[in-house]
Amino acid sequence: KNEVEQSPQNLTAQEGEFITINCSYSVGISALHWLQQHPGGGIVSLFMLSSGKKKHGRLIATINIQEKHSSLHITASHPRDSAVYICAVTANNDMRFGAGTRLTVKP
Amino acid sequence: GAGVSQSPRYKVTKRGQDVALRCDPISGHVSLYWYRQALGQGPEFLTYFNYEAQQDKSGLPNDRFSAERPEGSISTLTIQRTEQRDSAMYRCASSPRLAGTTGELFFGEGSRLTVL
Repeated sequence: KNEVEQSPQNLTAQEGEFITINCSYSVGISALHWLQQHPGGGIVSLFMLSSGKKKHGRLIATINIQEKHSSLHITASHPRDSAVYICAVTANNDMRFGAGTRLTVKP
Repeated sequence: GAGVSQSPRYKVTKRGQDVALRCDPISGHVSLYWYRQALGQGPEFLTYFNYEAQQDKSGLPNDRFSAERPEGSISTLTIQRTEQRDSAMYRCASSPRLAGTTGELFFGEGSRLTVL
């Protein structure tokens, strides 16, 4: 079993919809990262969380340390949000990655 | 430089050849991670450094893979006697904080390795 599980694997939405991507992990962590990977392959770090909630524009990330769960929300989704979203945790001095969620937002 | 720089961006090599991939982190960043990503798959952690010290080699697939960061800045990932299964995008990330602490990650564009 992967130590970092993401759901869903694939997600298709209509423009304007509210999106939620979930990440569960089974190890103690020092930080959780939400990453965005565009079709061209580049990876951008969206958020780094160790507790609570962070917001940046239309993106919101939350983490519940007790439940070992994090969510990434996208409000008013747009086709340019189409990408693979990856949850990564730093744990025991290494980095573990989820398999990613492929989001497609249709106009 | 302004960001994490990796070279070469693309490398095609014949099976059995050695390759060296370079990562130049953001100046002053203390931790550096290497990971790889096969086509259509999520990233796979390889190894990381705090300054010049390699903290964890457990992610390296086998002893053909090695990494160093001799002066705590630029890092080189070396793959000896390459095999076709080594083909992947090799990426590095750096952070201003020690690995295992809450530091933001900054990613390079990656080096795409193709072993024929």
